[in-house]
Amino acid sequence: QVQVVQSGSELKEPGASVKVSCKASGYRFNLFPLNWVRQAPGQGLEWVGWINTDTGNPTYAQGFTGRFVLSLDTSVSTAYLQINSLEADDTARYFCAREDINGALDYWGQGALVTVSS
Amino acid sequence: DIQLTQSPSFLSASIGDRVTITCRASQAISIFLVWYQQKPGKAPNVLIYGASNLRGGVPSRFSGSGSGTEFTLTISSLQPEDFATYYCQQVYVFPRTFGQGTKVEIK
Repeated sequence: QVQVVQSGSELKEPGASVKVSCKASGYRFNLFPLNWVRQAPGQGLEWVGWINTDTGNPTYAQGFTGRFVLSLDTSVSTAYLQINSLEADDTARYFCAREDINGALDYWGQGALVTVSS
Repeated sequence: DIQLTQSPSFLSASIGDRVTITCRASQAISIFLVWYQQKPGKAPNVLIYGASNLRGGVPSRFSGSGSGTEFTLTISSLQPEDFATYYCQQVYVFPRTFGQGTKVEIK
């Protein structure tokens, strides 16, 4: 069965970097893109970006360019979200989700809570 | 970027009520709209894709309609497990965008 499993919670100081992983299983990894979605505490869903799991080509939302980097390791069917120069406003749960042929995010990871605090 | 505006942002309803949530797009997106349900502490789940197609396993009391710039999600008879936050998302162009959410609470 399809599963998307993310890495655990992270506590980081401002200015540090964090790398969140998203491991997919139960299907052919390169057939479905992966999306990343941010949800700050008590807030709504915010689309971060998308990565083509066949070519590795990422697309980012405005506001998530520069410090946010999407990447893949296809040998282990895993996608990554790296955030550099962390700021307090980056504190949020970051979800990865598989995108199906209709564009819907049909399988989601459990979310990784990133807390930025000194 | 395409803006999605949901209304209302909050609604209070009783078990058995018919509930309608609207999602308006700032420009035409054909039928490339998805509805999600999210419960506290959980990831969202797809309810409707392609504006009106019910995802397998989703109860038939949920339905979606619309095209272009105006879309609706209807729950025909609200059940206890439906109290949650609902989001629309356009999948027409990049960047994908979400509506701000509609929280459905018990009256």
